[in-house]
Amino acid sequence: GAVVSQHPSWVICKSGTSVKIECRSLDFQATTMFWYRQFPKQSLMLMATSNEGSKATYEQGVEKDKFLINHASLTLSTLTVTSAHPEDSSFYICSVRPPGPRGYTFGSGTRLTVV
Amino acid sequence: GENVEQHPSTLSVQEGDSAVIKCTYSDSASNYFPWYKQELGKRPQLIIDIRSNVGEKKDQRIAVTLNKTAKHFSLHITETQPEDSAVYFCAASVTNAGKSTFGDGTTLTVKP
Repeated sequence: GAVVSQHPSWVICKSGTSVKIECRSLDFQATTMFWYRQFPKQSLMLMATSNEGSKATYEQGVEKDKFLINHASLTLSTLTVTSAHPEDSSFYICSVRPPGPRGYTFGSGTRLTVV
Repeated sequence: GENVEQHPSTLSVQEGDSAVIKCTYSDSASNYFPWYKQELGKRPQLIIDIRSNVGEKKDQRIAVTLNKTAKHFSLHITETQPEDSAVYFCAASVTNAGKSTFGDGTTLTVKP
C-alpha cells in the first residue's frame, strides 16, 4: 500500500514553454500533497503544500505564478512550471502522507531539463 | 520556522563498522522525525521514524534516538554494508501541519 506515482519521470523542454508534472496517490486519498525541489547534491526544499479543493500554500520565495499547483481531486495534484528557464532545471518530487502510522511517501520524482 | 541541521555532510566507514548521523532542530513544536535514504537518481525512502513521545526506536541494524530537551536526534547504523551507501536525510515536522523540513543530507560511503 501507500503507492505514489509521479509522471513524467524526466522531461526536456525549451525555454519559455510550460511543463506539467502529475502526482497521484494510487491506493489512498490525500487532501494534502507536498511539492519539493532538489538540486544536484542538495537537500529537498519544500516549494508548496497542495490542498485539495483550495489554493496551494507556497513557501517564502517561491513564485506562485510560475509554479502553478492544482489539487482537483483527492488522488491527484499537478505542478505546472510556466515559462520555464534553464535555472528551473531540477529534480521535482512530490510527497504524500498516507493513512496509518508511517510517514510520508515520495513520488518517483521528475527530472526537468530546460534548454 | 523550523531549521534542521545535519552532520556530518560526508561519512566514510569500513564495512562492518557503525555509522552515526546527527541532526538538531529548532522548533520545539516538532514532534515527528523521519529518516530517509536516497540513492542516486531515486526517490527518498523512509527507513525509520520516531515520534516525540519515544526516546529510542530500533529496526534491525538501524536505530534512532531522540533527545527532546536538547532538540537533537541521531541515526545509528550498525554492521554497515556496501549497500548502505547512499545519501541520508533527517527531517522534522509538526504532524498536524504536515510539512517537513529536511536536513542537508549526509553522504555515507561504506568501503568493502
